[in-house]
Amino acid sequence: GQNIDQPTEMTATEGAIVQINCTYQTSGFNGLFWYQQHAGEAPTFLSYNVLDGLEEKGRFSSFLSRSKGYSYLLLKELQMKDSASYLCAVMDSNYQLIWGAGTKLIIKP
Amino acid sequence: ETGVTQTPRHLVMGMTNKKSLKCEQHLGHNAMYWYKQSAKKPLELMFVYNFKEQTENNSVPSRFSPECPNSSHLFLHLHTLQPEDSALYLCASSQDQGGAEKLFFGSGTQLSVL
Repeated sequence: GQNIDQPTEMTATEGAIVQINCTYQTSGFNGLFWYQQHAGEAPTFLSYNVLDGLEEKGRFSSFLSRSKGYSYLLLKELQMKDSASYLCAVMDSNYQLIWGAGTKLIIKP
Repeated sequence: ETGVTQTPRHLVMGMTNKKSLKCEQHLGHNAMYWYKQSAKKPLELMFVYNFKEQTENNSVPSRFSPECPNSSHLFLHLHTLQPEDSALYLCASSQDQGGAEKLFFGSGTQLSVL
């Protein structure tokens, strides 16, 4: 079966760095997405990785290793507004999106 | 103006009621989706429409009935729901279906079935 694993919840301190991991086992691979979802709001697109390596976008970076079936989202200089759920999703060989259950990130002052 | 708008934001209904969820996208996209989001579970894809035609139905019970009158509007008609259907129902759109397209989501309808 297809599976995406990510931690259920993480806590970090304002101003610090946090890394949210995502591991996957899927039938083929056509890219990995990260979405951010604030409580009661719409998920919004953060990043897309299809090749190995690190993609940096401001305070957020996303890393992919296809051989290891592994990705992480790195958030630097954490702000209170970064408190949200972060959803990892992999597109399989049929271009179907397989979703993880999300990681709830709590930022403390 | 948000790209994808869903109404209502909250809905409480009894098991014998009939109600409809509405989604509208202002992005000129060709594909629209219904997802179910339950607490601590992955998003579940329910239906996909591409150019107004239904292209996917992920074994969704018939008490959920989608309708897509045009590429900008999507409805989810609900009848004789069960308490386990209580969840957040998200609408999304993408430029097209079938490629590595990013999704644009609405804020969802929080549904409670009593």
